[in-house]
Amino acid sequence: KAGVTQTPRYLIKTRGQQVTLSCSPISGHRSVSWYQQTPGQGLQFLFEYFSETQRNKGNFPGRFSGRQFSNSRSEMNVSTLELGDSALYLCASTFGQSSYEQYFGPGTRLTVT
Amino acid sequence: KQEVTQIPAALSVPEGENLVLNCSFTDSAIYNLQWFRQDPGKGLTSLLLIQSSQREQTSGRLNASLDKSSGRSTLYIAASQPGDSATYLCAVGYPVGLRGRLQFGAGTQVVVTP
Repeated sequence: KAGVTQTPRYLIKTRGQQVTLSCSPISGHRSVSWYQQTPGQGLQFLFEYFSETQRNKGNFPGRFSGRQFSNSRSEMNVSTLELGDSALYLCASTFGQSSYEQYFGPGTRLTVT
Repeated sequence: KQEVTQIPAALSVPEGENLVLNCSFTDSAIYNLQWFRQDPGKGLTSLLLIQSSQREQTSGRLNASLDKSSGRSTLYIAASQPGDSATYLCAVGYPVGLRGRLQFGAGTQVVVTP
């Protein structure tokens, strides 16, 4: 069974631009969570989607948004990029509502210049 | 507010020694605790998941224990190998209502020398 996939793997943007990252969960998984990892703050929870609905949101500004499609694939968008948004963005998927083990993708490395 | 701490931040051991990695958390109202491994620049690989009702989980050379009352979990890796070199992270999972959310420690960077 294929794992969690994320595209693109690497991305370079300039300040003020916007970016969209994509995540395809493990087949059959319906929950997708996003995390930001930086050297200074470590891993921080962004948001979680289940059946196309956002269930939880971390403490990030409104520039960070996401959505989930009917096939469980998810996208996250960051508008008006800032230098501090440079990070590894990780997506994780979980099967349904009865299992909480999360499986992570390889991440998207975003660099903002 | 939950705080998850991993000490030490870095650890170096010779091949063959057993590894002991510690994770502590301040709020015992957790749903589960998960241990991950992260290689440089890569995503996270799930190692073990311990539900709040369990005391330990084992997989091969790995064993993780959970003591909710004292707010501690320990990951043991027996007979370490150079391939075990990585950063190990623990994460506490929240109860229903915050489903899907994990709060991570900062990690312990492990180097196993041949």
